[in-house]
Amino acid sequence: AQSVTQPDIHITVSEGASLELRCNYSYGATPYLFWYVQSPGQGLQLLLKYFSGDTLVQGIKGFEAEFKRSQSSFNLRKPSVHWSDAAEYFCAVGARAAGNKLTFGGGTRVLVKP
Amino acid sequence: NAGVTQTPKFQVLKTGQSMTLQCAQDMNHEYMSWYRQDPGMGLRLIHYSVGAGITDQGEVPNGYNVSRSTTEDFPLRLLSAAPSQTSVYFCASGRLNEKLFFGSGTQLSVL
Repeated sequence: AQSVTQPDIHITVSEGASLELRCNYSYGATPYLFWYVQSPGQGLQLLLKYFSGDTLVQGIKGFEAEFKRSQSSFNLRKPSVHWSDAAEYFCAVGARAAGNKLTFGGGTRVLVKP
Repeated sequence: NAGVTQTPKFQVLKTGQSMTLQCAQDMNHEYMSWYRQDPGMGLRLIHYSVGAGITDQGEVPNGYNVSRSTTEDFPLRLLSAAPSQTSVYFCASGRLNEKLFFGSGTQLSVL
C-alpha cells in the first residue's frame, strides 16, 4: 500500500528566508505526486504536481518541487518566504492505476516570523 | 462558477443521531470523493465515486454511506454518529487522473 511521510510537523521560518518541506513516499511504481496548501479554515489548493518528465516542477506562488526516485522523495522549496505563505502543507501520492485516489501525508504547518 | 460546494459548514450532533453532509460540484467532474481530516493524520479517504451510480470504499469507510445518483452531487451519510467521527470533512472532485478541487470543509462535532 502507498504511504506518505512528512517528517516535520511544524517549521518556523523568517520572512524572506528560504523554505524546504520534506516528503517521502512509499509506492511500488512511479507515482503521481502532489503538494497542496491549506490556509486556516479553508480547503486545499493545489500548488504543483508531478506526473512524468522533468523531475523539477514549478508551481504557483513561487513554489517548486523535485522528484528524486532514488530517495523516494518529493521535497517542496521556495527561495524567499512571504508572510502569506503561513499555512499547512500536504504532500500526496496517487497510484497511476487508481486514478484520483490520493494518500496524504500528515502535513507540515509553516509559521512565518516577521 | 461555484466549484465544489459543501454544506453545512459547521454541525454539532449527539451520539446516535444521523445526518447527511452535502457536496455539489458544477464542473462536470467524473470523480468525487470524501476525506476526513484529523490533527497529525492528514486527510484520509472515506468513499469515492468515478461516475453516477458508481461508488467505492476508501481507507476509512466504516460508519459512512454514500450514493451518486447524479454527476453533480455526492452526499455523505452518517448513520449513527459516534464521537470518533468528530472531524473536518472535505469533499473533492476532479476529472479522472487529474488534480482534485476541494470544498471548504464541514466541521463536525459529535457529543
